[in-house]
Amino acid sequence: AQSVTQPDIHITVSEGASLELRCNYSYGATPYLFWYVQSPGQGLQLLLKYFSGDTLVQGIKGFEAEFKRSQSSFNLRKPSVHWSDAAEYFCAVVSPSGATNKLIFGTGTLLAVQP
Amino acid sequence: EAQVTQNPRYLITVTGKKLTVTCSQNMNHEYMSWYRQDPGLGLRQIYYSMNVEVTDKGDVPEGYKVSRKEKRNFPLILESPSPNQTSLYFCASSQGKEDGYTFGSGTRLTVV
Repeated sequence: AQSVTQPDIHITVSEGASLELRCNYSYGATPYLFWYVQSPGQGLQLLLKYFSGDTLVQGIKGFEAEFKRSQSSFNLRKPSVHWSDAAEYFCAVVSPSGATNKLIFGTGTLLAVQP
Repeated sequence: EAQVTQNPRYLITVTGKKLTVTCSQNMNHEYMSWYRQDPGLGLRQIYYSMNVEVTDKGDVPEGYKVSRKEKRNFPLILESPSPNQTSLYFCASSQGKEDGYTFGSGTRLTVV
């Protein structure tokens, strides 16, 4: 079955430190990959996406993600975290085949930022 | 401004009282979808639509109905709400697989 795994439920980092959030997927073929962020009380905002080409993709708010086919991973990174990055982060995938455009989410990683 | 608009933002209702959560998008997107978000479970798809008059069940469709009579609107209907439908609901729209979805601000529903 198709699935998305975010192994870390909760992560705490210090402001200014680097960040890496993990995402692994289980799919027959390489899916389209997305990272979303949800700030408290808000909807979900698309940070970045990957479906082909350069495996290192840049997104908004200084985030980037690297697709590694051999590891079935799409980890999100940021070199220096700001207090405003505290939020919940969701990795999501869409199957590249078929007509449906069904977005399947991981269970999310809650990021806390210490001063 | 390109957006997905859901109403209401907050709703408290009683068991069995029919309700509708509205969703509208102004981007002329083909795809629309409803998700519910519950702690520890992430976001799960309830229903989706690939175009006008084309809808299909997602992963957790029981107790919900949808319709897509116009491209911009995709209301979620709970004919007889129950407490286990207390959740945070999101509507989203997309033009295609490569684009991802644009999400509304959410509707927090409490069924007592």
